[in-house]
Amino acid sequence: DARVTQTPRHKVTEMGQEVTMRCQPILGHNTVFWYRQTMMQGLELLAYFRNRAPLDDSGMPKDRFSAEMPDATLATLKIQPSEPRDSAVYFCASGLVPGTGELFFGEGSRLTVL
Amino acid sequence: EDKVVQSPLSLVVHEGDTVTLNCSYEVTNFRSLLWYKQEKKAPTFLFMLTSSGIEKKSGRLSSILDKKELSSILNITATQTGDSAIYLCAVEGGQSNAGKSTFGDGTTLTVKP
Repeated sequence: DARVTQTPRHKVTEMGQEVTMRCQPILGHNTVFWYRQTMMQGLELLAYFRNRAPLDDSGMPKDRFSAEMPDATLATLKIQPSEPRDSAVYFCASGLVPGTGELFFGEGSRLTVL
Repeated sequence: EDKVVQSPLSLVVHEGDTVTLNCSYEVTNFRSLLWYKQEKKAPTFLFMLTSSGIEKKSGRLSSILDKKELSSILNITATQTGDSAIYLCAVEGGQSNAGKSTFGDGTTLTVKP
């Protein structure tokens, strides 16, 4: 049963600490997205990759966030230093382009920054 | 900048009611519009629409796209408590933005027994 896997599922950390979230996309999918979801902002696109190359990271605060895809089976989203306003659920999603346009979402990483 | 607006933001109905959720968009090089349902965890795919006027249907849910009006509606008939969820509309851009989905803020639907 193919699915997107994210770790950690939950993370509580203190302001100023580094946070790294990981995502394993579905094998064969060539496009990977990072979204952030909060009550106030809905689902915001942070960054996305096609064939491991970053296509758009304009939604990401560049001074503290970074996203990479070191290989086809791993995408990472790093926050350094973290701030309380980064508290949110971070979703990774993967898809195939060209394809149906459907995205398959992981279960999310719930981040709380104290 | 691509933009997707959903209305209403929230809706409370009773079982058996019919609801209509709205989605309007502004996007460069429109490719498709997608509807997702989000319960406790991750969004799950409902429909993809690419052509105007062709209704997609799955059980009690149906959706249609109007490219002239840059909008779509999602209808749910005979609602059940299990339909309670956030319904998300996303628009996929084409060409250089192919695959990039911009989401609306969602409509939170609550169905009371």
